[in-house]
Amino acid sequence: GEDVEQSLFLSVREGDSSVINCTYTDSSSTYLYWYKQEPGAGLQLLTYIFSNMDMKQDQRLTVLLNKKDKHLSLRIADTQTGDSAIYFCAESPAINTNAGKSTFGDGTTLTVKP
Amino acid sequence: NAGVTQTPKFQVLKTGQSMTLQCAQDMNHNSMYWYRQDPGMGLRLIYYSASEGTTDKGEVPNGYNVSRLNKREFSLRLESAAPSQTSVYFCASSVDLENSPLHFGNGTRLTVT
Repeated sequence: GEDVEQSLFLSVREGDSSVINCTYTDSSSTYLYWYKQEPGAGLQLLTYIFSNMDMKQDQRLTVLLNKKDKHLSLRIADTQTGDSAIYFCAESPAINTNAGKSTFGDGTTLTVKP
Repeated sequence: NAGVTQTPKFQVLKTGQSMTLQCAQDMNHNSMYWYRQDPGMGLRLIYYSASEGTTDKGEVPNGYNVSRLNKREFSLRLESAAPSQTSVYFCASSVDLENSPLHFGNGTRLTVT
């Protein structure tokens, strides 16, 4: 079945770059998303990439997509303590072809140490 | 602009009790969803509504029912709560089912004793 996988934990020092990786299986996905969840809150859309793009940059965030390997990464430059959160990778819902299956990864908990 | 609003924020139930979680969105979105989030299991889709008047089962629908009351509101009902339903519940909405990001509420933390 369709699946999205991420490593569960990442710890970095303030000022370093963080790279969060994700693999997915649905080759028909049109959009791939990164969401951020802070403690006690819901998920918020951080950024997204269209499947015909290789890279997207948005201020400190860089998204890289390797469609051949079905690999997505999120790079956060100059990571700050405020970036500590859980980051979810997700593929665009393909409910008609994948009914009932969640398209979110399990989330990567990023801890930024001062 | 409130976005997606869920009530209540916290709830404690005894086994066998019933309750309804409320969700409303003010973004004129067609599609709405209910997820549960459990440690080590990520987000799991319970039910979704592609558009007003339709609802469909997600990955883990057993023990739940939903109502799409109108375009704005999508409620989740637990008829007879069980300890296994202790979780954080998130409502979300999107413009349409495909190729549009989800907007989430802040969640309802439910404990069933």
